[in-house]
Amino acid sequence: DAGVTQSPTHLIKTRGQHVTLRCSPISGHKSVSWYQQVLGQGPQFIFQYYEKEERGRGNFPDRFSARQFPNYSSELNVNALLLGDSALYLCASSLMDSYGYTFGSGTRLTVV
Amino acid sequence: AQSVTQLGSHVSVSEGALVLLRCNYSSSVPPYLFWYVQYPNQGLQLLLKYTTGATLVKGINGFEAEFKKSETSFHLTKPSAHMSDAAEYFCAVKPGANSKLTFGKGITLSVRP
Repeated sequence: DAGVTQSPTHLIKTRGQHVTLRCSPISGHKSVSWYQQVLGQGPQFIFQYYEKEERGRGNFPDRFSARQFPNYSSELNVNALLLGDSALYLCASSLMDSYGYTFGSGTRLTVV
Repeated sequence: AQSVTQLGSHVSVSEGALVLLRCNYSSSVPPYLFWYVQYPNQGLQLLLKYTTGATLVKGINGFEAEFKKSETSFHLTKPSAHMSDAAEYFCAVKPGANSKLTFGKGITLSVRP
């Protein structure tokens, strides 16, 4: 079975631009979460979605938004990119009412 | 609120030596605890988790961890380090099944030949 897949793997954007990151969960997993990992730090929670509804939001500005589609895949959108948004963005999927998260390999975003 | 403290940023051991990576947590409710490993340019891989039951938890690659409520600790150990264990290790806590993970800052493990 395929794991959590994220695309693209790497991208470079210019300050002020917009970016969309994509995530496909493990088949059967209906919950998707997004985390931001800045170099040298642990991942920070951004969003959790379940059945297309937002179930949790971390301490991130409104420039960050996400959505989940009927097939449970998800997009993370970031507007007006700042240099500080440069990070590894990780997607994790899980069964609801489950303790375990499975992470994807991430999207490395570089803002220049 | 939950928090995780991983003291130190780097641990270096010789191949075959004991690995001990420390993790202390703060949680307002009984926690669920996790250790993840991250190899360069990769995502996070679950090593082991504690939810309920036995406080000594065995994971993959010979790692284990013990939940000590009185010490609010969940230290990760491996009796004999292997070169392939060199990676970044993250301890994480969450208060419930559907809640977010809160990670520590991570510890880099180096293994000397």
